[in-house]
Order: sequence, then C-alpha cells, then structure tokens
Amino acid sequence: NAGVTQTPKFQVLKTGQSMTLQCAQDMNHNSMYWYRQDPGMGLRLIYYSASEGTTDKGEVPNGYNVSRLNKREFSLRLESAAPSQTSVYFCASNKLQGTSGNTIYFGEGSWLTVV
Amino acid sequence: QKEVEQDPGPLSVPEGAIVSLNCTYSNSAFQYFMWYRQYSRKGPELLMYTYSSGNKEDGRFTAQVDKSSKYISLFIRDSQPSDSATYLCAYRRETSGSRLTFGEGTQLTVNP
Repeated sequence: NAGVTQTPKFQVLKTGQSMTLQCAQDMNHNSMYWYRQDPGMGLRLIYYSASEGTTDKGEVPNGYNVSRLNKREFSLRLESAAPSQTSVYFCASNKLQGTSGNTIYFGEGSWLTVV
Repeated sequence: QKEVEQDPGPLSVPEGAIVSLNCTYSNSAFQYFMWYRQYSRKGPELLMYTYSSGNKEDGRFTAQVDKSSKYISLFIRDSQPSDSATYLCAYRRETSGSRLTFGEGTQLTVNP
C-alpha cells in the first residue's frame, strides 16, 4: 500500500543546478500538490493540479515548474536552484469530493539543500 | 497579517497531562477545520476535521471550533509519549477546492 511516493529523499545541489522531484500516487486521486515546509513558515503550497492536464500556481511558485504527466504522476522542477530553495518538499494528493477534500495524503518528504 | 496563527512551541509535558493546542484565523470564508499530526521526518497525516462550531471527540482527542472568535483548539487527554509530534492546524474554503491553509505547527514532546 504505497500511497504517495516521492523521490529522491535527500539531495544536495549547487547554486544554479537544476533538478526534478518526482511524485506518484496509487490511490486514483484527481488532485495533486507540491508543498514546501520551512521552520517558522509552516507548509506553503507551491503548485497544485486539480486534475490531469491542469496545473495552477499556489502561494510560492517562483523558481519552480511542474508537470502533471498523467493521473498518477506530478513532478516539480527547479530550473536554477538557489539557496532560498533549501527546504523540505512534500508531494500530496486527494480525491476532491465533498468533505473528503479535507483528507490530503502526503508523501514522506524530500530534503533538499542548495549550497 | 497571516491568515492562520499558531503558537510554534515547543511544548513539553509529562505523560498523562492534558494538552491544549490552539490556532486563530482571520478569514471568515474558512469552512472546514482540520488538525494534522506530523511525526519527525514524516509527512503530515489527518488527525481530525470538523465543519461546524462546537466539539468533536475521537478517543483521547477533542477538536473545538469557535467560529465567532475564529479560534480552534485540539485537546489531548492522558497524553502518551507516542503523541510526541508536530501538530498543524489547517483550514479550507468551500470555494478553494481542496487547497488547505496550514498553521506553522506546534511541536509537542510528551515525557515518560
């Protein structure tokens, strides 16, 4: 019962390098999300995808791009990493049906350090 | 002004204590109120949600919502070391799809 799987779990990047965080869910959920979590800032939404083929900006989209490859997969790309993007990144998904919209399932997190 | 304010703690209590965790919010459009629990180096998981003002109980956990004061609380009775985690309040508007607004989380340690 995998749920939401994201890779890699840990990554160190040099400033200016690019990378893609991968995420897949096996719960047949329509909606998928990328959050970042920083001390004192809580969880902040970077991008989300309400359904396959659609993506929208969240609270902190600058410096990131996303791709909803299919219903299962939602990737987050850092084109030119900056130290301010050092954070823990969480992928998440949910059904988006009535009150089930409150249950968002999170992955285990990806720890990214930009030096 | 942040839409959600939550005391970041940390909070340290002895085993068996009653714990009170609190959040305030400023957006009257929030209609769903949730508490997520996050263990160290894990993703958050939903603990409880409620739609209306009043109390909702689930075992040792009680969620309380006061819409008039824009205040929500989570009470943990007979706290256990296994309750040691970060607790995040979260809110959702009906019109925002399933996008949640999170508080910054309160780190709780229950000492045996």
